[in-house]
Amino acid sequence: GQQVMQIPQYQHVQEGEDFTTYCNSSTTLSNIQWYKQRPGGHPVFLIQLVKSGEVKKQKRLTFQFGEAKKNSSLHITATQTTDVGTYFCAGPPTIYDKVIFGPGTSLSVIP
Amino acid sequence: EPEVTQTPSHQVTQMGQEVILRCVPISNHLYFYWYRQILGQKVEFLVSFYNNEISEKSEIFDDQFSVERPDGSNFTLKIRSTKLEDSAMYFCASTALLQSTDTQYFGPGTRLTVL
Repeated sequence: GQQVMQIPQYQHVQEGEDFTTYCNSSTTLSNIQWYKQRPGGHPVFLIQLVKSGEVKKQKRLTFQFGEAKKNSSLHITATQTTDVGTYFCAGPPTIYDKVIFGPGTSLSVIP
Repeated sequence: EPEVTQTPSHQVTQMGQEVILRCVPISNHLYFYWYRQILGQKVEFLVSFYNNEISEKSEIFDDQFSVERPDGSNFTLKIRSTKLEDSAMYFCASTALLQSTDTQYFGPGTRLTVL
């Protein structure tokens, strides 16, 4: 079945440093979604990418969907302590399939 | 902004007991989901529900689990005979459309502890 992997599992950065997490799927995805989960909280939808090679930005966050629609990345520029949390990618093979979550990358930001 | 609510926030139960976790999805949403997250691990899909029936379920969702929409607002997950390994956060989510391109709104979760 479909598997979604993310690296790294954990990342500790100094405040102000950049951060990137990578997401890889064993199958082609119809879309990729990113969620953020703060410690003790629930997943919150950040963004969705649909098109091959698509790049979207949200302030300091840049999301990219690979040309083959099997991988994605999230890049945070100049991290802040408010960025702390676990970032999950998730995606289905088709729009009618269930969304499969990756294992997440846990980000710690040292002030 | 509308939100998904879940009760209770924390449920402690003895192994073998039945538990019912409750969710109130966003009012105009039609598709409902339950996910499970074991502490420190990823979010795992359990089941999706539409038009009063299960649309899809994972291998985790065995005969011990059942879902129900008893009225126009609540969506429940029942675990008939809890096991220690059922201890986890259980998240309810809802979408307006049956397409994964539609945003999933997650509830705050119920932490289930099985002793």
